[in-house]
Amino acid sequence: EIVLTQSPGTLSLSPGERATLSCRASQSVSSSYLAWYQQKPGQAPRLLIYGASSRATGIPDRFSGSGSGTDFTLTISRLEPEDFAVYYCQQYGTSTYTFGQGTKLEIK
Amino acid sequence: EVQVVESGGGLVQPGGSLRLSCAASGFTFSSYEMNWVRQAPGKGLEWVSYISSSGSSIHYADSVKGRFTISRDNAKNSLHLQMNSLRAEDTAVYYCVRDFDYWGQGTLVTVSS
Repeated sequence: EIVLTQSPGTLSLSPGERATLSCRASQSVSSSYLAWYQQKPGQAPRLLIYGASSRATGIPDRFSGSGSGTDFTLTISRLEPEDFAVYYCQQYGTSTYTFGQGTKLEIK
Repeated sequence: EVQVVESGGGLVQPGGSLRLSCAASGFTFSSYEMNWVRQAPGKGLEWVSYISSSGSSIHYADSVKGRFTISRDNAKNSLHLQMNSLRAEDTAVYYCVRDFDYWGQGTLVTVSS
């Protein structure tokens, strides 16, 4: 099973700042089958990024994904108030999918 | 509009069984892979099970293998999760997920005596 480790656990930033979230895999993720999700309290997760760098439908271009192999990054270029939430990475390159433990992005 | 709506959650005793259902609409259900993902209270996301569009390929997380069974009825646009031998650690909100791009609002399963 591929274990995904997200860092930091909590990130405290202000609106307008740049956020960089990391996701490291215990082994190489096949064909960059890596996704990122946003989850707000009481809501279902929302797909942001798939294939490591492709934005899902309707996702603003301030969200971008990068990386390959074992190291992946989600970048939010300029934080909007609605971006403060929990973010999860997920790999779907093997027959058993796994999620990271999440990064909480909070307002400083 | 794409919709996936879960039902069937509730309170069940340890060792008991429950069957979750997911009703899909607004898309060609038979063309999409489906998954169940769960989230224990205050915890992160855990993938539970996958089924291919035809139902011919199925995978499970180790934590539920041998106890849970995923199935689908493409004629009725529905997805199911049969959960047997339930444990306290199965307590969670269970989400029905289309190809990971559309998520339902979830149904709560509570395993407690």
